[in-house]
Amino acid sequence: GQQVMQIPQYQHVQEGEDFTTYCNSSTTLSNIQWYKQRPGGHPVFLIQLVKSGEVKKQKRLTFQFGEAKKNSSLHITATQTTDVGTYFCAAVYNTNAGKSTFGDGTTLTVKP
Amino acid sequence: NAGVMQNPRHLVRRRGQEARLRCSPMKGHSHVYWYRQLPEEGLKFMVYLQKENIIDESGMPKERFSAEFPKEGPSILRIQQVVRGDSAAYFCASSPNLAVDTQYFGPGTRLTVL
Repeated sequence: GQQVMQIPQYQHVQEGEDFTTYCNSSTTLSNIQWYKQRPGGHPVFLIQLVKSGEVKKQKRLTFQFGEAKKNSSLHITATQTTDVGTYFCAAVYNTNAGKSTFGDGTTLTVKP
Repeated sequence: NAGVMQNPRHLVRRRGQEARLRCSPMKGHSHVYWYRQLPEEGLKFMVYLQKENIIDESGMPKERFSAEFPKEGPSILRIQQVVRGDSAAYFCASSPNLAVDTQYFGPGTRLTVL
């Protein structure tokens, strides 16, 4: 089946350092979504990318969608302790199928 | 606006018992998804339902698991004869549109099988 690889699995940073997580698919995506799950919480939608080469920003978060629509990244500038959690990408291959495939997530810990 | 509601939040069952997990989607949403999350792991798709229809159940184990989304009432994920390996967090999500759009997740049900 279709799979999306997300790396790294874990990332430990010092507060103030940057953080990046990557999602890679072997096949072209229709769109990709990013979610954040705080420890003990539930996934919360962050953003959706649809267009080839798209870049979106939310304060310190920058989301990119590759030109070939096979990969995506989430970059956090100057991490804060409130950024801790697991970041998931969710790949949509066929918008009419109604199903998205989640990556295994990158768990970010931030040392103050 | 009430978000996606799931109950119970925590459920303890002994091996061999049945577990029923309920999900009420956001108002106006007719698409429901169920995911399972094992400790320290990602979200695994289980099933996608619309009102009275199962659209995609490719992630559901073939035995003991079933799901429904009746015309009236919440979506139900049912696990019969639970085993220890069923212990996990089960999340429900809903979306408003036919095409996959933003999914709004409920708080999850944490199932523990003793």
